[in-house]
Amino acid sequence: EAGVAQSPRYKIIEKRQSVAFWCNPISGHATLYWYQQILGQGPKLLIQFQNNGVVDDSQLPKDRFSAERLKGVDSTLKIQPAKLEDSAVYLCASSSPGQGNYGYTFGSGTRLTVV
Amino acid sequence: GIQVEQSPPDLILQEGANSTLRCNFSDSVNNLQWFHQNPWGQLINLFYIPSGTKQNGRLSATTVATERYSLLYISSSQTTDSGVYFCAVGRGRDDKIIFGKGTRLHILP
Repeated sequence: EAGVAQSPRYKIIEKRQSVAFWCNPISGHATLYWYQQILGQGPKLLIQFQNNGVVDDSQLPKDRFSAERLKGVDSTLKIQPAKLEDSAVYLCASSSPGQGNYGYTFGSGTRLTVV
Repeated sequence: GIQVEQSPPDLILQEGANSTLRCNFSDSVNNLQWFHQNPWGQLINLFYIPSGTKQNGRLSATTVATERYSLLYISSSQTTDSGVYFCAVGRGRDDKIIFGKGTRLHILP
């Protein structure tokens, strides 16, 4: 099966600019997650979707971050305006708990540098 | 929230050696996963193991849920095993998982 697809792989922007990341999960996976990984740390959950509904966005900085998952398939994560501390790798993952598959599959991530 | 502690933080071994990585967690969990993050940043799921023992080639894992810890064993290490190993846990089977800080493993040729 195809893996989790993410784009772009790298992005460099200036602070106060906006940026968007895209994720296409494994076909049939109802649950999609966005994680932020700052250099030297473990990934931190930003938002969890079940189909096209939000399950958990308690750690999403909603003043500048937004995410959507239209039609319950692919998803976009947006930052507007970006700050220097947003420099990180943004990882998308999917799972299929409804099919008994609780293990997460991660995409390759998008490395964001804010200058 | 649940606290996840991994040890050791860093480990340097010669090729061919065996290693044991530990993950302690502060509360009952029904979801525990081990990941390997390779030097290019890709996170690979090694095991979904909320309890019991599993083996996959040179890797095996054991989770003792009642004592709130999990162990990852790597036997006959190869240089390709280098990277960071993360343990991640969740309260429910389909809850979000929380990552530890990882164990950085470096295998010398």
